[in-house]
This record gives sequence, C-alpha cells and structure tokens, in this order.
Amino acid sequence: SHVVTQSPSVSVAPGQTARIPCGGVHLGSKRVHWYQKKPGQAPVLVVYDNIDRPSGIPERFSGSFSGNTATLTINRAEAGDEADYYCQVWDGSSDRVFFGGGTKLTVL
Amino acid sequence: QVHLVQSASEVKKPGASVKVSCKTSGYTFNDYSLHWVRQAPGQGLEWIGWINPSSGDTNYAHNFQGRVTLTRDTSISTVYMAVTRLRSDDTAIYYCARPHGDMWTLYFDSWGQGTQLTV
Repeated sequence: SHVVTQSPSVSVAPGQTARIPCGGVHLGSKRVHWYQKKPGQAPVLVVYDNIDRPSGIPERFSGSFSGNTATLTINRAEAGDEADYYCQVWDGSSDRVFFGGGTKLTVL
Repeated sequence: QVHLVQSASEVKKPGASVKVSCKTSGYTFNDYSLHWVRQAPGQGLEWIGWINPSSGDTNYAHNFQGRVTLTRDTSISTVYMAVTRLRSDDTAIYYCARPHGDMWTLYFDSWGQGTQLTV
C-alpha cells in the first residue's frame, strides 16, 4: 500500500506563505506531484517531480522534499489561490497512482 | 495542443450501467496511456485505472476491479470507461487524464473537462 497523507486544511493570511505537507512511509523513494483543484474545474498541475514547475505556473508556487515529506509552498498567497491541493505519487512496481486526501487552502 | 473531450453528464438508477467517453486529439493516440480519476461530492481525487491504447492492456485500482472496464477505439482516438452495478456512492465527476512520465515518474499534464455521473 502507498498511503499518502495530507492535513485536511491550511489557512494563510493574504501576502503570507502557505506550506502544505504531504507524507507517506514510502514517499522517500517516489517523486511527488501537486495539483490545484477548484470547484467546477479540472485539476491543474502546479509542481511535478518534487520541485519542477510547469510553464505558466507562477513562481510563487514551489515544491520541496525532505525525508518522507513533500511540501508545496505558496509564497505571497492570494485570494485566487484558495483551492484544494492534492499530492500524487506513482508506484512503478504496481503501475498504480495514489493521491493524497487533499488539503483545503483558505486565504483569509 | 492536447485536447481531451469527455461525453456529457449522465443520470442513472442504482444497478444500471454507464459508459463514459474521452475523445483525444493533438497527439499520437497510441503513444500515451489514458487514466481515469473521479471526485465524489465532498471527497478527494480517486484514481480508477489506465488503459494502454496501443495494446489494450489495462490496470485498475483495487476498489474498481470487477466493476469498471476501460476500452478504446483507435480509429477515433477515443477511450471509454464502463461502470456496471452502479451505486449511489458512484455519484461523482469522472475525469480522463493523459500522463507524462518515464520509468521513474508519472503525472498528469492534460485533463478532460469532467463528466458528472449521478446515480
């Protein structure tokens, strides 16, 4: 099993830094990817391979990794960043995908 | 430019079956697997499985084995997800997604618009 865990919610004041962790026993051997999910919209990839950012994603979004925990960091948080954020890993041995439970980011 | 266009919303009764389509364009259909992910109301993203359009091989999450079948029609670059014995907890938005990756990684950089299934 590749259980991937996330805190249910994170709050941040506008202009401050939000950190969203993603943990798992086997995470250290995996590459972690992050998606932003807003109601009524398909998920959007915001970080891939732990630290890389797709084109078009603001530099305010960044990823890091330490031990068995990956972290999505959103600098200078804006109201438009309010969304659910999901981490995702792929298990090569089973060729299956696993999502974390998601973290609701509130900017208040 | 990659496009994944899904079929329209569906309303089904418990015990019925449904088939959702995902028409692809903008890339070589046989070169990428196609995955399905769903989100039930108030719940998180849940991976369902994938199909290899070239070989027809499939792989399903444990929760969906036996009730979900993925197929494809290479002549029209379209994949299908059939779900049988529908239950109320199958009510969700279903997404198809094209992965990017290699032997070390896999992530989704293209998504369909989603298909609402209500049971």
